[in-house]
Amino acid sequence: EIIMTQSPATLSLSPGERATLSCRASQSITINLAWYQQKPGQAPRLLIYGASIRATGVPARFSGSGSGTEFTLTISSLQSEDFAVYYCQQHHSWPPLTFGGGTKVEIK
Amino acid sequence: EVKLVESGGGLAQPGGSLRLSCEVSGLTFSTSEMNWVRQIPGKGLEWISYINVRDTGLHYADSVKGRFTISRDDARRSLYLQMNTLRVEDTAIYYCATFFGGYSVFWGHGTLVTVSS
Repeated sequence: EIIMTQSPATLSLSPGERATLSCRASQSITINLAWYQQKPGQAPRLLIYGASIRATGVPARFSGSGSGTEFTLTISSLQSEDFAVYYCQQHHSWPPLTFGGGTKVEIK
Repeated sequence: EVKLVESGGGLAQPGGSLRLSCEVSGLTFSTSEMNWVRQIPGKGLEWISYINVRDTGLHYADSVKGRFTISRDDARRSLYLQMNTLRVEDTAIYYCATFFGGYSVFWGHGTLVTVSS
């Protein structure tokens, strides 16, 4: 099973700041990585797939990068609606599909 | 508009059973791969099961293998999860989601399953 590790657990930032979230895989997953955003009381929403491809309707301020074992989700300028929990998920080797533990982006 | 609506959650006793349903609209269900993901309230996401088109491929997480069964009815545009021998640790919100290329694109709102005596 591929273990996904996200850091930091919590990121405290102000609106307008840049957010950098990390995700590490326990072995190479090439670019088979997705990012999801989840707000309280809501289902997850797909943001990024293929490590760097924005899903339909996702604003350009969200970008994904990385390959192999190290990945980054960047939010270039935080908007109020971006404060949420973000999860990475690998689909390189499954079953099982595995998620990271999540990074909470909170208002500072 | 794509909509996924789960139902069937509720309270069950340890060792009991529940059947979750997920009705899908707004896309061609018969050609959609599907999966179930669960989330303990306040915790992270756990993938638990996958089904491909025409039921030719099924996968399960080890935590539910042998106890849960995924199925689909294309005529009813519905996905199901039969959950038997429930455990306290199965308490979670259960989401159905479409599956494409390894990731989940469209998600339902979730249904809460509580296993408690």
